Amino acid sequence: EVQLVESGGGLVQPGGSLRLSCAVSGFTFSSYWMYWVRQAPGKGLVWVSRINGDGTTTSYADSVKGRFTISRDNAKNTVYLQMNSLRAEDTAVYYCARDLGLQSGDYFDYWGQGTLVTVSS
Amino acid sequence: QSVLTQPPSVSAAPGQKVSISCSGSSSNIGNNYVSWYQQVTGAAPKLLIYENNKRPSGIPDRFSGSKSGTSATLGITGLQTGDEADYYCGTWDTSLSGVVFGGGTKVTVL
Repeated sequence: EVQLVESGGGLVQPGGSLRLSCAVSGFTFSSYWMYWVRQAPGKGLVWVSRINGDGTTTSYADSVKGRFTISRDNAKNTVYLQMNSLRAEDTAVYYCARDLGLQSGDYFDYWGQGTLVTVSS
Repeated sequence: QSVLTQPPSVSAAPGQKVSISCSGSSSNIGNNYVSWYQQVTGAAPKLLIYENNKRPSGIPDRFSGSKSGTSATLGITGLQTGDEADYYCGTWDTSLSGVVFGGGTKVTVL
């Protein structure tokens, strides 16, 4: 059974840092692109970042570029999101998601339960 | 303001059909495949449609997808109370070099 479990969310002050983790099981982790998608309270889905199977290729939304870093440890079956210089507008539930694995595009077939990040003083 | 435009809400009676539109541009829908997600309140999103019109295993054929030009549509037939949820379209945007989503459409079963 495929499982994705996020952790690391919480309350942080503006300008602070937080590292999210997403531990996965049930599939060959290193074969899949992984993504982070966030959802502010009462709002829609927003793509944050992605990383390829061996960790050599990453992409970021403009809103987080230069502040967030995605990485993965294939030995630990875990993907991370290091978030620095956090702002109030980064407050959201952060989901990790697995890519379906097709060359044609980005489709998220498995999602974690999400972890809430609140940026507030 | 989302890159892809969806109606905020649609509604219909049980057993009826609803269609949800998703409008974009040549940099996203016009030249890339579209996917659709269902999000029940308090839960993670669920993939309903990928590559414009394909359904993952386990998704009933009451859900269908189509694309024409720079717009896509999700159709739900035989509406059930369990279909009440928010629905999002998504695709790659070549100009932004990232995944973009619509703002979401709330489906209400009357």
